[in-house]
This record gives sequence, C-alpha cells and structure tokens, in this order.
Amino acid sequence: VVMTQSPLYLPVTLGQPASISCRSSQGLVNSHGDTHLTWYQQRPGQSPRRLIYQVSNRDSGVPDRFSGSGSGTDFTLKISRVEAEDVGIYYCMQGTRWPGTFGQGTKVEI
Amino acid sequence: EVPLVESGGGLVQPGGSLRLSCVASGFTFSGRWMSWLRQAPGQGLEWVANIKTDGTEQYYVDSVKGRFTISRDNAKNTMYLQMDSLRVEDSAVYYCMRGALYDGDLWGQGTLVTVSS
Repeated sequence: VVMTQSPLYLPVTLGQPASISCRSSQGLVNSHGDTHLTWYQQRPGQSPRRLIYQVSNRDSGVPDRFSGSGSGTDFTLKISRVEAEDVGIYYCMQGTRWPGTFGQGTKVEI
Repeated sequence: EVPLVESGGGLVQPGGSLRLSCVASGFTFSGRWMSWLRQAPGQGLEWVANIKTDGTEQYYVDSVKGRFTISRDNAKNTMYLQMDSLRVEDSAVYYCMRGALYDGDLWGQGTLVTVSS
C-alpha cells in the first residue's frame, strides 16, 4: 500500500491552523471494519511519537489542537493553532496490511 | 526510566553481521507484540519486522527476508534483531517499537547501523 502525503513542506504561522493530507493507494478498512491509519510526529533529533491512531483517536498527553479525520483512502491531520513545539516531520502510516507503510513525511516549519 | 532502550549498532563491513537489542521496562513486555523499524539518514520510516507476544510468529519486510531474524526473551524483557549479510542499503537508525501494525505506540531512541567498507 502506497501512502502519499501532501504537502511535503508546510510553512506555518504561530497561532494559525495547519493541515496535512494523506492518501492511500488502497482502502484501509480491514475485515473487522477497523481503519488502521496512524499519525506520528518526529521532532528534530527525536524518535517518532504517536499522535493519532485509528484515524481520529488522540493519544494520551497529545494536545487537543491535534485532530485526525478521514475515511476510505483519504485522511487528514489538522493542527487548530500551531505552536512552536509543533515543528517537526509528520508521518501517516497504514497498519491494515503487512508491511505497514509510511507516507514520505511532511516537514512543518514556522 | 526509559521504556525502550536499543543497543548494538555500529560500523560493519558489507556482508557482516550485527545483533541489536531492545530492553523494555515499565510495562508487561510479554503481553505486547514488538517491532523493529528503521530510518535511513535523512529519509523516511520503514518497517523491518515484528514478533508476536510469545515469539511464535514473526513477519519481515521483503528486503530483509532470509538475512534478518527477530526474536525475543520475555524473561529478560528483551527483543533482538540478528542482522546477517548486511548491505550498504541497510544503513539506518534502527528503532524498536512497542506494538505492531495496529497498536505501535512507543518508540525507543534508536541505534545507528552503518554498513560501509
């Protein structure tokens, strides 16, 4: 499954919203009706951190300014108001079919 | 206490071997699938392998099949990745991750593997 993110570079303004798109080459619903689309954040010099799982479920400790949405083959990560600590690379990943595959990453810069 | 700590990376010649380890703490290791992923310098993320809770099932990405072996020792809360017949293109930071396709929720800090003559 090929995951395609856009844009690959996203200049943002503090306090303004931001949005990242992720498209899969195949539908991501499994036989149980679950959609395993995950968003990870990788801050500079750090390992990835999970933000969102199963399209729209936010992890514990993740600020509520992050939200995920979508279905089928089209998914979106939104940041309602960008903060300085949000700088980094964001990856979508499909976990419905082995092997899991990642998008190319979207670099978010202030 | 850091939940996942990788070690074992380093510089190796093409055709050589390395064994990576990932020591887990702070959670019930035996109750979770575990995975290895990698990130080549300046590149994106790639799944390498994962292993079932009791070690009875393993899955590999095609590019490492027959060369890499994932294993675990639940008594030691440790997962391993034996890497043989290493190639230049295997050079990357290798991360261990708690969970697998559906529930990968925690990554280690990574260990760097460089394959070069």
